[in-house]
Amino acid sequence: GQQVMQIPQYQHVQEGEDFTTYCNSSTTLSNIQWYKQRPGGHPVFLIQLVKSGEVKKQKRLTFQFGEAKKNSSLHITATQTTDVGTYFCAGRNNDMRFGAGTRLTVKP
Amino acid sequence: DGGITQSPKYLFRKEGQNVTLSCEQNLNHDAMYWYRQDPGQGLRLIYYSQIVNDFQKGDIAEGYSVSREKKESFPLTVTSAQKNPTAFYLCASSIRTSNQPQHFGDGTRLSIL
Repeated sequence: GQQVMQIPQYQHVQEGEDFTTYCNSSTTLSNIQWYKQRPGGHPVFLIQLVKSGEVKKQKRLTFQFGEAKKNSSLHITATQTTDVGTYFCAGRNNDMRFGAGTRLTVKP
Repeated sequence: DGGITQSPKYLFRKEGQNVTLSCEQNLNHDAMYWYRQDPGQGLRLIYYSQIVNDFQKGDIAEGYSVSREKKESFPLTVTSAQKNPTAFYLCASSIRTSNQPQHFGDGTRLSIL
């Protein structure tokens, strides 16, 4: 069945360092969504990517969708303490499946 | 304000007991979902519903049941057949099931007494 793998599981960075989380699917995806869950909170939608090779930016966040539409990445430039949380990808083939998430902690 | 309301925030279940988690949305969304979240395992889909009076099993439906009698409501029952129910349960909704972002409630944390 469809699987979405996400790495790393945890990432601890110093404030100001960059951060990247990667998402890989066993099947070609029609689209991929990214969500952020703050500690103690619920997932909040960040962005959706649909096109092969698509790149979208939100301030310090850069989202990429692979050419084969099987992988995606989220890159945060110069992390801040407000970036703390767990970042999930969710890939859709027939149904949507969430990755296990990458938990980001930031040391001030 | 439009949104999704889950209740209760915390719930305790005794052995052999069924419990029902409430999920209500006033976003006029057609699709609704239930996820279970365990540490390190992300979100796993329990059930989803695309329209009223219709619902589909997700990846981990065993031990759970749902109903969708109204567009606004999608309650989840955790039955006694679910042997490991302790988890954080999240309800979500979207305009449709395809290509639309999901909006999540604040969750219900279920524990076993």
